[in-house]
Amino acid sequence: DVKVTQSSRYLVKRTGEKVFLECVQDMDHENMFWYRQDPGLGLRLIYFSYDVKMKEKGDIPEGYSVSREKKERFSLILESASTNQTSMYLCASSLPGLAASDTQYFGPGTRLTVL
Amino acid sequence: AQSVAQPEDQVNVAEGNPLTVKCTYSVSGNPYLFWYVQYPNRGLQFLLKYITGDNLVKGSYGFEAEFNKSQTSFHLKKPSALVSDSALYFCAVSARTDSWGKLQFGAGTQVVVTP
Repeated sequence: DVKVTQSSRYLVKRTGEKVFLECVQDMDHENMFWYRQDPGLGLRLIYFSYDVKMKEKGDIPEGYSVSREKKERFSLILESASTNQTSMYLCASSLPGLAASDTQYFGPGTRLTVL
Repeated sequence: AQSVAQPEDQVNVAEGNPLTVKCTYSVSGNPYLFWYVQYPNRGLQFLLKYITGDNLVKGSYGFEAEFNKSQTSFHLKKPSALVSDSALYFCAVSARTDSWGKLQFGAGTQVVVTP
């Protein structure tokens, strides 16, 4: 079975702090994604990566950056956390290749609260 | 640009009755369509997807969905709902021309199954 893990289930940070969210997948997937989930808005894509050191902006990249130094690990970085970044963050990975039909597999999510 | 509409915020159904969760989409060209389910405080779990071929797709936990190209719909169905089906359901679309397999999600529909 595919396993996608996220470093924390719950995280509380202060405004202005630098925040790192880590995601690891164990199936040698090429593509990895970061989403945020907010009530009534569904999931919105922040950034994705299709290979080591390669990244592309999603729909809402402002205030975020990412890092992918190893194939299995994809990090989301909040350079200076703000209260409007309080949300559930979900990481996903998809099967090797670049096909639009590939299924994305999700981690359990990190619920981030910024005070 | 692609989009997904889930017109119902919540669907209430009695256990044993049929369950339908509606989804309509907009995308350039032919779509790939997905359904995911999210149980409380969990990540998203893949249920089923439509790629091509038979318009009726069968998935996990007894769910199925019917692709209707003329109505641009992909409604999720289950003949007999269980209390354990209570969860948040997301429809998602990917454009076939998208090399990265990016998904556009609907806002989600909360399903409540009462005993």
